[in-house]
Amino acid sequence: QVHLQESGPGLVKPSETLSFTCTVSGYSLTTGYYWGWIRQPPGKGPEWLGSVFHTGRPYHNPSLRTRVSFSVDTSKNQFSLRLYSVTAADTAVYYCARHPREILAFDHWGQGILATVSS
Amino acid sequence: DIQMTQSPSTLSASVGDRVTITCRASQSISDWLAWYQQKPGKAPKLLIYKASSLESGVSSRFSGRGSGTEFTLTISSLQPDDFATYYCQQYNSYSSFGQGTRLDLK
Repeated sequence: QVHLQESGPGLVKPSETLSFTCTVSGYSLTTGYYWGWIRQPPGKGPEWLGSVFHTGRPYHNPSLRTRVSFSVDTSKNQFSLRLYSVTAADTAVYYCARHPREILAFDHWGQGILATVSS
Repeated sequence: DIQMTQSPSTLSASVGDRVTITCRASQSISDWLAWYQQKPGKAPKLLIYKASSLESGVSSRFSGRGSGTEFTLTISSLQPDDFATYYCQQYNSYSSFGQGTRLDLK
C-alpha cells in the first residue's frame, strides 16, 4: 500500500526558505509516476505547486517557477520541495502526492503538514 | 491560467438525497477534470478522473459528467459519510482547483 509522509518545519520567518521532504513507502519512486506538491491555505482550495519525476525532471506551476525547486533522493525513496522568499501568503497546509506522468490527477496523498510564515 | 468555478459554494441536503455540484472552466479543458472529496483535517481523496471515470474503490453512488467547460458531480442517495467539501480540478493545462463546495447536513 502506497504511503506518503511529509516532514519539515512548521514555522518559518518571512523571506526565508520553506523546505519539505516527502517519504514514500510501499512503492518505488522510480516506477513510472510523478511526485507532486500541493498546498492549501486555510479555508481555500488547493493549489498545485509542481511535480518531479524520479530522474529529477521538474514539472513546474508557471506561477511559482521562480520560487520553487524540487529534488529526489531515490536511495531514500524521498522527494523534496524548497520554496524561497516566503511571505505570510505562503502559510498553508502542504501536501505531497502522486500522479501518473503528466496527468495531474492525484491518487495518493500524504496527510499534510501545516507551515506558518510569521516573524 | 484556467479558472475553475464551482457552484453552489454550500449545499444543504439530507441523507438519501441526490445532489449535483457544478464546475465550470474558463476555457475548454476537454475531459481533463478530476473531483475530490475532503474532510476536515484530511487530505483530498480522488473520486473521479477524466471527467467520468470512477477511481478504484470509490462508491458507484458518485458519478461525473461533462466535457469542454461544464462538468457535474452527482451523488445519488447521500450517505452520512458523504458530508464533506468537494473540489474539482482541471489538468488540461498544468493544474488548478475550484474553490470548493461544502456539502452540509440539512
